[in-house]
Amino acid sequence: GDSVTQKQGQVTLSEDDFLFINCTYSTTTYPTLFWYVQYPGQGPQLLLKVTTANNKGISRGFEATYDKGTTSFHLQKASVQESDSAVYFCALALTSGGNYKPTFGKGTSLVVHP
Amino acid sequence: DTTVKQNPRYKLARVGKPVNLICSQTMNHDTMYWYQKKPNQAPKLLLFYYDKILNREADTFEKFQSSRPNNSFCSLYIGSAGLEYSAMYLCASSSGSGTGQLYFGEGSKLTVL
Repeated sequence: GDSVTQKQGQVTLSEDDFLFINCTYSTTTYPTLFWYVQYPGQGPQLLLKVTTANNKGISRGFEATYDKGTTSFHLQKASVQESDSAVYFCALALTSGGNYKPTFGKGTSLVVHP
Repeated sequence: DTTVKQNPRYKLARVGKPVNLICSQTMNHDTMYWYQKKPNQAPKLLLFYYDKILNREADTFEKFQSSRPNNSFCSLYIGSAGLEYSAMYLCASSSGSGTGQLYFGEGSKLTVL
């Protein structure tokens, strides 16, 4: 079945460090891939969406791309800030009978120290 | 206004007792979802409503019920809570004609004792 694997459970960085979080996916169709961010006490919210392989999604200094050849997609940021501390989820959106059924990774908890 | 509200935010239930969680959205979205989130696990899709049509995942089919009395509201009902139901329950909505983006509520944390 369709699945998403997000192996990095926690990433700890210092301010101005480079961030890279990776997910892999498995599907037989052409997916739309998302990154969601969840701040403490809030629900997840959309950070980035990538609909086409090798295209880049950009938002709030974050970039996301996906590689159809390696079935991976990643999130990166050149210089993280303490305010970026949050949980980041990758997600795969497929349609089933005309409805989207998003499948999520388990999340990567980013801790940024000042 | 992109708002999804969930009530209650925290729920304590006894084993064997029923639990009802409520979700509302003001965006006139046609699809509403319920996910279960446990620590160190991915959010697990339990069910979703597309308009008035309920779709339940095969492995949770008999454990959870839901109703959607109107477009704005959706409930998640557990008839007899077990310890394994302790989790965060996330409600989300989306527009079927949109981009697949989900709008989430803040979650309802259920603790079963």
